[in-house]
Amino acid sequence: GQQVMQIPQYQHVQEGEDFTTYCNSSTTLSNIQWYKQRPGGHPVFLIQLVKSGEVKKQKRLTFQFGEAKKNSSLHITATQTTDVGTYFCAGPIYGGATNKLIFGTGTLLAVQP
Amino acid sequence: EPEVTQTPSHQVTQMGQEVILRCVPISNHLYFYWYRQILGQKVEFLVSFYNNEISEKSEIFDDQFSVERPDGSNFTLKIRSTKLEDSAMYFCATRQGGGTDTQYFGPGTRLTVL
Repeated sequence: GQQVMQIPQYQHVQEGEDFTTYCNSSTTLSNIQWYKQRPGGHPVFLIQLVKSGEVKKQKRLTFQFGEAKKNSSLHITATQTTDVGTYFCAGPIYGGATNKLIFGTGTLLAVQP
Repeated sequence: EPEVTQTPSHQVTQMGQEVILRCVPISNHLYFYWYRQILGQKVEFLVSFYNNEISEKSEIFDDQFSVERPDGSNFTLKIRSTKLEDSAMYFCATRQGGGTDTQYFGPGTRLTVL
């Protein structure tokens, strides 16, 4: 079945340093979604990328969707302690009325003040 | 902003007991999902529900699991005879439909099976 892997599994940075997580799918995705999960919390939707090569920015967060629509990245510039959490990419699998999400393995970000 | 709500937030049960987890979807959403997250692991799809029937289920969703929307409001997940390995966070998610892919997750129910 389809697999979505993320690296690194864990990243510890000093506040102010940059952070990047990479997402790779075994199959081509129609779109890629990114979620953030704070410790003890639930996945919160951040953004969706649809087009090949698309780049979107949200303040200090930059999201990219690969040309082949099989990989994506999230880059955070100048991390803050509020960025702490696990970042998941997810791709929808279309089939009938499903559109279930296949989540990546996640990257846990720890930010030291 | 409308939110998905779930009850209870934490459920502790004995192995073999039945549990029902409840979700109230966002009001104009048509597609409903249950996901599971074992501690420290990724979020896994369990089942999707549309038009009052299951549209897809994963291999995790065996005969011990069932879903229904009994009153047109609550969306429930029932586990008939819980096992230790059912201990996890269970998230309900809903999607509006009409070409919109975004799924909105509820806060989750932490299920602990002793």
